[in-house]
Amino acid sequence: AQRVTQPEKLLSVFKGAPVELKCNYSYSGSPELFWYVQYSRQRLQLLLRHISRESIKGFTADLNKGETSFHLKKPFAQEEDSAMYYCALVARAGSYQLTFGKGTKLSVIP
Amino acid sequence: DAGVTQSPTHLIKTRGQQVTLRCSPKSGHDTVSWYQQALGQGPQFIFQYYEEEERQRGNFPDRFSGHQFPNYSSELNVNALLLGDSALYLCASRPGTGLFSTEAFFGQGTRLTVV
Repeated sequence: AQRVTQPEKLLSVFKGAPVELKCNYSYSGSPELFWYVQYSRQRLQLLLRHISRESIKGFTADLNKGETSFHLKKPFAQEEDSAMYYCALVARAGSYQLTFGKGTKLSVIP
Repeated sequence: DAGVTQSPTHLIKTRGQQVTLRCSPKSGHDTVSWYQQALGQGPQFIFQYYEEEERQRGNFPDRFSGHQFPNYSSELNVNALLLGDSALYLCASRPGTGLFSTEAFFGQGTRLTVV
């Protein structure tokens, strides 16, 4: 069975400092990896997916199959980045089942 | 487009009762999934509906059942409620294109409290 681990429940950084939210997964095949974000009083929404290889709001994430990791990074944190971040995977083609980690709360200190 | 809408927003039920939660998908979406999010946890997949049939199911007991209507809206039913069923229930929709990497759009959720 697949599993997603986010080791940090809370991460506090100062505005302008680099951010790295860790995500490790266990799955024997080739999953699709996602980062979802939930801002205060808003619904869960997609931030980025690994197949797009894009940067959204300055965030990037690279899939490292050797280390089975999909860490989320941003070089300079902004106050508006404060939110709950969830790493998730879909295990196989044709499946819609998202397996989520427990989430990391990012707090950017002004 | 109002996006994914769920009702009610909050609900309090007594242990042993039954509850029905409702979801209207985003316009143009025909696939609906349900998730349970306990406090301090990430969402857990319950099941997914497409073309009015349950297509995939997570590790939840048969007390959890669902339905999808011809207009793609969906219901989640939970029978014989337990205290442990207290959680935020999320509905997510996406187009049933067969591409599993398409974005899932989530509703605001229904907060269920079992007392």
